[in-house]
Amino acid sequence: GAVVSQHPSWVICKSGTSVKIECRSLDFQATTMFWYRQFPKQSLMLMATSNEGSKATYEQGVEKDKFLINHASLTLSTLTVTSAHPEDSSFYICSARDFEETQYFGPGTRLLVL
Amino acid sequence: AQSVSQHNHHVILSEAASLELGCNYSYGGTVNLFWYVQYPGQHLQLLLKYFSGDPLVKGIKGFEAEFIKSKFSFNLRKPSVQWSDTAEYFCAAGTASKLTFGTGTRLQVTL
Repeated sequence: GAVVSQHPSWVICKSGTSVKIECRSLDFQATTMFWYRQFPKQSLMLMATSNEGSKATYEQGVEKDKFLINHASLTLSTLTVTSAHPEDSSFYICSARDFEETQYFGPGTRLLVL
Repeated sequence: AQSVSQHNHHVILSEAASLELGCNYSYGGTVNLFWYVQYPGQHLQLLLKYFSGDPLVKGIKGFEAEFIKSKFSFNLRKPSVQWSDTAEYFCAAGTASKLTFGTGTRLQVTL
């Protein structure tokens, strides 16, 4: 149990385009999902907390207009990187929190902006 | 501010050796503690967690961790490692609202 999926697993796009990443909890409902960014050989950095039915909460330094988050249902959250630039290239990971307050992680999405 | 420190960045062990990975946290108030593992090419998986109760927590694959409140530590242990334990290990501390991760420890187990 406690499986979280992400789609796509990797994406290459041109600078200036927008990219949408989906995060789904497959076998449990998650009122809260989280979006992280992981740089090479570094730890996970929390970007934002996604709450079902309400606005996301962004960490300090994360541009809310650049990284749009929508948590439309108890099993789906999306992250849209708007007007992506090469510096947005990274590994984006989502997690979903179950009712026991444990986060389960998706496989990640590798974004490369040319 | 919350922080998690993992002192061992890269550990190399031979199969059957014992493992202990250090984790110290700085956190005000009640804290939940986790160890996650990331095998090569795979996503983060939960190894074990501590919320309250018995400070010695047993997880999957023979791993255990001990919460020592006075030392703000949550060290991960395994009596005898296997080659398949080669992975990156992350300690995390926080609440239901937010987790702070350590920088990770890369464990390499040699045959």
